[in-house]
Parts: sequence; C-alpha cells; structure tokens
Amino acid sequence: GAGVSQSPSNKVTEKGKDVELRCDPISGHTALYWYRQSLGQGLEFLIYFQGNSAPDKSGLPSDRFSAERTGGSVSTLTIQRTQQEDSAVYLCASSLALPRTDTQYFGPGTRLTVL
Amino acid sequence: QKEVEQNSGPLSVPEGAIASLNCTYSDRGSQSFFWYRQYSGKSPELIMFIYSNGDKEDGRFTAQLNKASQYVSLLIRDSQPSDSATYLCALGYSTLTFGKGTMLLVSP
Repeated sequence: GAGVSQSPSNKVTEKGKDVELRCDPISGHTALYWYRQSLGQGLEFLIYFQGNSAPDKSGLPSDRFSAERTGGSVSTLTIQRTQQEDSAVYLCASSLALPRTDTQYFGPGTRLTVL
Repeated sequence: QKEVEQNSGPLSVPEGAIASLNCTYSDRGSQSFFWYRQYSGKSPELIMFIYSNGDKEDGRFTAQLNKASQYVSLLIRDSQPSDSATYLCALGYSTLTFGKGTMLLVSP
C-alpha cells in the first residue's frame, strides 16, 4: 500500500515568509509525528498527534511553529515568519500506535531552505 | 530529559565482516528501543525493535539490549557495501528520542 507522503519535497522561501508543509499518513494509522533533521544533527521531535488531538507539543521550538490534523488523516505544519535557522528537512511519520512495539514509518521529508 | 548517545563514526569495516553499532541511553524507564537505517538524502527506515533484555535476531541483524547497563547494540553479520548508511538508535513509546546516528562504511 501507499506509504507516508509529504509535500512539497523541496521548499525555498525568504526569511519572514510563512510556509505550510503537508503530511499524508498511511491509511488507518492513528498516530502522526513531525520531526526535523538539521544537517549533521539527529532527528528532533516536534509534535505528536493521536487522532486529531496533539497530546505532546513539547518539541515545537517556538510559537512560530504550529500544526493541525483534520479528519484523523492529513496534517499541516505551519512555520510563520521563517528564520534561517528553520532550514532543515522536516520529516513526518505515522504509526498504528501499538503498545511497546509501535513502528513509525517515515515519509520522504520536505527540505526547507530559508534564504 | 532522555538522552541517547551514539558514536558518530564513521565505522569502517570490510565486506563480509561483522559491524557492531552501540548506543547508550540515560532514561532507566525506557522500555522500547528501535534501530533505524538512513541512507544519505533519504528518510529513516526501521530495521528492528527490541524491548526485552537479551538478543533478538532478524536475518543478518541482531539487536542486543541490556537495561541494567543502559545500552543497546546492533550487530550486522556478513556486512555488505549496501549496508553503508547512518544507523539511528531510538527509544521511547509514541514520541521517540533519537541518537545522532553512527555512520557505517562497508568497503568492498
């Protein structure tokens, strides 16, 4: 079946502009996660959705970052007033939210470049 | 705060050898551990998960967990050049904490 999809694959924007990144999880997966990966760095957790609610927003780096999920499916990560330090690959993952052995499947990512 | 430590490498091994990748963690309460492989420019893909002390084997891969010593390792037998990638250790449930990864280079 189809995997996790993300769009756009690449986004170049100017400092101060807003961007929206989209994630379409695997059908039937109730959990959805956003991470970002900067060059040479590990994956940094941003936010987690269970259904449409976000029980853990602890990773969002500032109030310029927000995310929503509608219909228990597609999620949008919005970054307002982008800064150069926001440049990174933004990865979305989804899972069935099984206890202990939950496997997260990652999308191909969106590479964001802020000029 | 959970911390996951991995040697950044690169770890270089010849084709056919055993590659040993290690990971230590700080949170004694962690119960689930994952190894992901990430090729350059690609997204991570799951290799194995483990949550019981001891060894878990899957093909050429063996994950080893020692909760008392707070480490988890991944052994790759008969290493192939196609195994060259960055290997990420992760732990947790729902929200995963990832290490920065160890780069593995397998030379023909």
